Amino acid sequence: AQSVTQPDIHITVSEGASLELRCNYSYGATPYLFWYVQSPGQGLQLLLKYFSGDTLVQGIKGFEAEFKRSQSSFNLRKPSVHWSDAAEYFCAVGAGAGNNRKLIWGLGTSLAVNP
Amino acid sequence: DAMVIQNPRYQVTQFGKPVTLSCSQTLNHNVMYWYQQKSSQAPKLLFHYYDKDFNNEADTPDNFQSRRPNTSFCFLDIRSPGLGDAAMYLCATTKGTSGGGNEQFFGPGTRLTVL
Repeated sequence: AQSVTQPDIHITVSEGASLELRCNYSYGATPYLFWYVQSPGQGLQLLLKYFSGDTLVQGIKGFEAEFKRSQSSFNLRKPSVHWSDAAEYFCAVGAGAGNNRKLIWGLGTSLAVNP
Repeated sequence: DAMVIQNPRYQVTQFGKPVTLSCSQTLNHNVMYWYQQKSSQAPKLLFHYYDKDFNNEADTPDNFQSRRPNTSFCFLDIRSPGLGDAAMYLCATTKGTSGGGNEQFFGPGTRLTVL
């Protein structure tokens, strides 16, 4: 069955420190992979996506993610975290086709940033 | 700018009193989704429209209905809200073409409170 696992429910980092949020997926074909960010009380904003090609993808706000097929992972990274990065981060895999396109969501990782 | 708009941003209703949430989009996407998101949880897909074709998730309660009168608008009707229906309701859209993957564009959400 298709699934997405985000092993870390909550992460706290200091401002300026590097960040890595983990995401593992289970999907039979080449996946469409996404990272979304959600600030409190807001909708979700796409950070980056992987469809094919270069396995290191760059996103908005200085984020990047690397697709590793052998590990079924799509981890999100940022070299230096800013206080404004505190938010909920969701990894998702695109599933279905035709008129049944959906996103399979991970449970999310809550990021806190210490000053 | 092309976008997904949800109205109202905050809705308060009484237990059992029908309520309608609205979503509109200027992206001209043919697929529209409704999600329910409770605090610190991933979005839960309720149903979606592919053009005019309605696709209900198996575990969506009958209390939740949807209408899509045209490409731009989609409504979520909650016929008899219960306390457990208090949540953030998110609308999202995607371009339902084979080459577009499943990237979804989200509105800011409507926070529903049930008294």
